[in-house]
Amino acid sequence: EVQLVESGGGLVQAGGSLRLSCAASGLTFSNSWMSWVRQAPGKGLEWVATINPDGNAKYYVDSVKGRFTISRDNAKTSLYLQMTSLRGEDTAVYFCARYNRVFDYWGQGTLVPVSS
Amino acid sequence: EIVLTQSPATLSLSPGERATLSCRASQSVSNYLGWYQKKPGQAPRLLIYGASSRATGIPARFSGSGSGTDFTLTISSLEPEDFAVYYCQQGSNWPLSFGGGTKVEIK
Repeated sequence: EVQLVESGGGLVQAGGSLRLSCAASGLTFSNSWMSWVRQAPGKGLEWVATINPDGNAKYYVDSVKGRFTISRDNAKTSLYLQMTSLRGEDTAVYFCARYNRVFDYWGQGTLVPVSS
Repeated sequence: EIVLTQSPATLSLSPGERATLSCRASQSVSNYLGWYQKKPGQAPRLLIYGASSRATGIPARFSGSGSGTDFTLTISSLEPEDFAVYYCQQGSNWPLSFGGGTKVEIK
């Protein structure tokens, strides 16, 4: 059974930083493209970032470029999202997901409220 | 950037009725289109990939069609657990994108 478990969310002040983690099991993590997707309160789903299996190709939505960094540790089967210069509009539930042209496996999400 | 437009925004139907949801892309995404179901407090659930293939464990009442720029998700006969928000997503070009969603509510 595939399991993706996010952690690291929590209240942060605007301008602050936070690092999210996603522990993966039940899949061949080292061969998987991985992503972060978020949902702001009362809003729709928004893709945030994707990383390839080797970690040498990274893609971001424009609104987080230069502020967020996606990374991975294949030995630890873990995905990360380093978030800096956080803004109120970054307030959301952040989901970790495997990307295969679609997002086929998802974690339960971790809430990141940003206070201004 | 590919924009996905979903319609209608809200669909009010009764259990047993047929639901037809539309997703239109601002440019061709070939068949790199997925559909998701989202309920409050839950992770999104992949329903359809490749525009028309059902994901593992998805009931046959869910079907997808289309290619290029126009796509449809059909729920042949709504069950009580199907009332939720549905999103389409394109995996053709970076940046990846989701549609704004269609809420299927009980009439």
